[in-house]
Amino acid sequence: SQKIEQNSEALNIQEGKTATLTCNYTNYSPAYLQWYRQDPGRGPVFLLLIRENEKEKRKERLKVTFDTTLKQSLFHITASQPADSATYLCALDNNAGNMLTFGGGTRLMVKP
Amino acid sequence: GAVVSQHPSWVICKSGTSVKIECRSLDFQATTMFWYRQFPKQSLMLMATSNEGSKATYEQGVEKDKFLINHASLTLSTLTVTSAHPEDSSFYICSARLSNQPQHFGDGTRLSIL
Repeated sequence: SQKIEQNSEALNIQEGKTATLTCNYTNYSPAYLQWYRQDPGRGPVFLLLIRENEKEKRKERLKVTFDTTLKQSLFHITASQPADSATYLCALDNNAGNMLTFGGGTRLMVKP
Repeated sequence: GAVVSQHPSWVICKSGTSVKIECRSLDFQATTMFWYRQFPKQSLMLMATSNEGSKATYEQGVEKDKFLINHASLTLSTLTVTSAHPEDSSFYICSARLSNQPQHFGDGTRLSIL
């Protein structure tokens, strides 16, 4: 069955360091992958989308990689700040391009 | 841009009550709206997909008579939880998208059934 895995354990890092979050998937061939940020009691906020033919995409301090051979996406936040503390969700499309399936999310804690 | 408003943000009501949640795209016309449910410390689970003017498509295991979805216009979709019971207590989140653009989410509705 299709599976999307994100590290369920919280990631604790020091301010200024680079945070790296992982999203692995099985039995899936997504056309694109998205990353969202979710704060407690709020809806997810769209961050980045990367297509299957793109290896890497950047936006300000964010960088996403997409390895369709490894079936893995890495999400990096450089020069992390306490305000980056949140849960980060990866989501894959259903190949029809109109429906997303979310991973369980990884909680990031950036300490001052 | 791409703001989605969800109302109410928090509802507490007695068992047996029906509750309506609204989802509006404020600055764009959404061809498709989605409804999700999220339990504590779990991810979003898609409940249904709705296109303006047509019946919603429900995911397996989601009762369409329990969760009524109306998508009357390109900017408004409503979810009604009929005869709600404590097990329906959850965080309900809607999203909206235009064509093949990313989904944009509302801030969710915390539903508590006593």
